[in-house]
Amino acid sequence: AQSVSQHNHHVILSEAASLELGCNYSYGGTVNLFWYVQYPGQHLQLLLKYFSGDPLVKGIKGFEAEFIKSKFSFNLRKPSVQWSDTAEYFCAVNGFGNAGNMLTFGGGTRLMVKP
Amino acid sequence: NAGVTQTPKFQVLKTGQSMTLQCAQDMNHEYMSWYRQDPGMGLRLIHYSVGAGITDQGEVPNGYNVSRSTTEDFPLRLLSAAPSQTSVYFCASSYSREGGSAGELFFGEGSRLTVL
Repeated sequence: AQSVSQHNHHVILSEAASLELGCNYSYGGTVNLFWYVQYPGQHLQLLLKYFSGDPLVKGIKGFEAEFIKSKFSFNLRKPSVQWSDTAEYFCAVNGFGNAGNMLTFGGGTRLMVKP
Repeated sequence: NAGVTQTPKFQVLKTGQSMTLQCAQDMNHEYMSWYRQDPGMGLRLIHYSVGAGITDQGEVPNGYNVSRSTTEDFPLRLLSAAPSQTSVYFCASSYSREGGSAGELFFGEGSRLTVL
């Protein structure tokens, strides 16, 4: 079975501050990793994804994430947040061997950026 | 393309009532799934389908039924609504694993269900 843990449930930052959201997963094999974002009142949108290759992946809106296999981690980062980044962020894992492209999601991190 | 379309967006039910949440996608995706979103718990998989005529249970299937008679449609049925089923429901679809975007889900806008 696969599982995902997001350590920060609520994060409050001021504009221009740097962001790092933690994500750890549990799965014994090869994985695909994702970060999704949900802006207030909207559905989930893909922020970035890791399938293979360079463990540092860049997504939309200046976000990036680093896959560290030895730590089973896929932390999300942004050097300078904006008020418009206020949203809930979900880390997700899809382990090879799981039917139906099932994603297992973490509990989410609610980010509030103060102007 | 419309992507993934869910209806209704909002619904209020009384305990014991039944209803169906509709989901349709126009991307010819093989895989479709239903998740429920509850505060602090992220998204949990209810049921999924790997193709027309094939469905299987996810993490929290009790109280829900699904069917997949066509590639496009994947309705979720609540058999006898309970207050514990108050949640936001998301339908999602994706390409098959052999595709370049295996595992990347495309979500509908969600259906907010309240059971009194």
